[in-house]
Amino acid sequence: AQSVTQLDSHVSVSEGTPVLLRCNYSSSYSPSLFWYVQHPNKGLQLLLKYTSAATLVKGINGFEAEFKKSETSFHLTKPSAHMSDAAEYFCVVNNFGNEKLTFGTGTRLTIIP
Amino acid sequence: NAGVTQTPKFRVLKTGQSMTLLCAQDMNHEYMYWYRQDPGMGLRLIHYSVGEGTTAKGEVPDGYNVSRLKKQNFLLGLESAAPSQTSVYFCASRRMGQPQHFGDGTRLSIL
Repeated sequence: AQSVTQLDSHVSVSEGTPVLLRCNYSSSYSPSLFWYVQHPNKGLQLLLKYTSAATLVKGINGFEAEFKKSETSFHLTKPSAHMSDAAEYFCVVNNFGNEKLTFGTGTRLTIIP
Repeated sequence: NAGVTQTPKFRVLKTGQSMTLLCAQDMNHEYMYWYRQDPGMGLRLIHYSVGEGTTAKGEVPDGYNVSRLKKQNFLLGLESAAPSQTSVYFCASRRMGQPQHFGDGTRLSIL
């Protein structure tokens, strides 16, 4: 079985300050984990992925995430928020060999000028 | 290279009407998916396909049918539209172990 929990439905940060979006997962096997971003009225765009290589994964637009097996977490971070980061972010888990991916319910990120 | 293309982008239907949403991908992906996205509920899987000629139910399949006659196309049908099917529909495709690639969505309103 696989599941994912995004711990915050809404996060607000000031421009130029760090971003932390939290994700915990449950998986019976070594999972693949992904973060997607969705801007208003757009489809989902892949930010980064973890597939059992390096535990610190770098993505696009300065985002990165760290896979911590002991904590079953895959939190998304960015050192300095930009106005263009305002969007909804989805954490996704997939067990190897499972055709279906499981999505979190999303975290809406608001950037305060 | 267009990726995943959804047709149409917007549609308004009356209750009881039928329609088909088309998803086309040009990446030769094996897996294709249809999701619906509703406020506060994230993405919910309607149906999916692991290859040409195969389909399977997701978590919210009722009221929808799908077909995958060609590897590159995945069709989602509503036989008798209901207001509860008002939503944004997303198609996605991928290879095993790889991330999904998403289309830009279809906004469907049922009056």
